[in-house]
Amino acid sequence: AQTVTQSQPEMSVQEAETVTLSCTYDTSESDYYLFWYKQPPSRQMILVIRQEAYKQQNATENRFSVNFQKAAKSFSLKISDSQLGDAAMYFCAYRPVYTGANSKLTFGKGITLSVRP
Amino acid sequence: DAGVIQSPRHEVTEMGQEVTLRCKPISGHNSLFWYRQTMMRGLELLIYFNNNVPIDDSGMPEDRFSAKMPNASFSTLKIQPSEPRDSAVYFCASSTSGGASYNEQFFGPGTRLTVL
Repeated sequence: AQTVTQSQPEMSVQEAETVTLSCTYDTSESDYYLFWYKQPPSRQMILVIRQEAYKQQNATENRFSVNFQKAAKSFSLKISDSQLGDAAMYFCAYRPVYTGANSKLTFGKGITLSVRP
Repeated sequence: DAGVIQSPRHEVTEMGQEVTLRCKPISGHNSLFWYRQTMMRGLELLIYFNNNVPIDDSGMPEDRFSAKMPNASFSTLKIQPSEPRDSAVYFCASSTSGGASYNEQFFGPGTRLTVL
């Protein structure tokens, strides 16, 4: 079975600084997707960024980028120029590539990020 | 597009009562997922449907939980009888499906359930 581990329950960053959130996973699959979701106090789950395992290039979305290390099964999220609106819970998630019917997401426990003004 | 719609947003009930949570997926999406979020266990998939058919219900905790999808635009998650340990936020998500391509899951706002 696939597992996703986020070992840091909380982190804090100064506004405008950079922070990195860690995630490791375990799988026997060779093709899969990895995601970072943001959950602000409103509870809404928002997709921040995704990475396809077959791509060596790390995904980037504006101030958000990932460091994907397939051999180490590591998938960290870097937030640059942190803003107050980045304060939220962040979840790492995994999903195997699947033909036919959709396949399920496996989530880590999440990390609470606070941003200091 | 209205996104995934869930109702109610909040539900407070007493132990032993029946609770029904509702979800309307995004039009055109043919996969629907029910998740539960608690402090202790995080986000867990309870069940998911594809083309209104349950594909994987291995996450449903016990017989007190049941889910239906009578048509492409509506799903329910029912708990009968409810217990205090069922208190959690329940999310519904929907996506397109098919092929080996990525199909983003769009989440609803969740229903916060409190069982007293």
